[in-house]
Amino acid sequence: GENVEQHPSTLSVQEGDSAVIKCTYSDSASNYFPWYKQELGKGPQLIIDIRSNVGEKKDQRIAVTLNKTAKHFSLHITETQPEDSAVYFCAASKNSQGGKLIFGQGTELSVKP
Amino acid sequence: DGGITQSPKYLFRKEGQNVTLSCEQNLNHDAMYWYRQDPGQGLRLIYYSQIVNDFQKGDIAEGYSVSREKKESFPLTVTSAQKNPTAFYLCASRPRGRNTEAFFGQGTRLTVV
Repeated sequence: GENVEQHPSTLSVQEGDSAVIKCTYSDSASNYFPWYKQELGKGPQLIIDIRSNVGEKKDQRIAVTLNKTAKHFSLHITETQPEDSAVYFCAASKNSQGGKLIFGQGTELSVKP
Repeated sequence: DGGITQSPKYLFRKEGQNVTLSCEQNLNHDAMYWYRQDPGQGLRLIYYSQIVNDFQKGDIAEGYSVSREKKESFPLTVTSAQKNPTAFYLCASRPRGRNTEAFFGQGTRLTVV
């Protein structure tokens, strides 16, 4: 079945360093790849997304890259700040089957001041 | 303000009792989803609905039931058949047929006592 694998499960960096989270997906028909940030006790919020017709997208300190051939996509956060500390989820979906999002297991990012 | 509202935020249930979690949205979205979140397991899809009066099982539907009588509402009932119901439950919505952002509610934490 459809599956999204996410690594690492935890990541600790110093403030100002970069953080990279990686995901792989199994369904080659997937064409939409969002990243969500979840703070403690709250619902996830979208931080960036990418569609299969592009290879990279940036929004200030956040970027996402997509390799369709390898079925990999990654989140890059530069110049990390303590407020970036949260759980990050990747997901994949396709237009069919109700557009359901399949999520990775999550990465707990800790940015130490 | 447009958004998606889950209630209650915290819910306690005795073993053997059914309980219903509320999810309401005023975003005019056709598609709605219920996810369950457990530590280290990401978000797992319970049920989803693409349109009123129609819904499909997700990956972990056993012990749960839903209804979709109105576009705005997608309540989830956790039945006594669910053997391990203690978890954080998240509701989401998206426009149907478009691969775009899913909006999440703030979640309901259910604890069996």
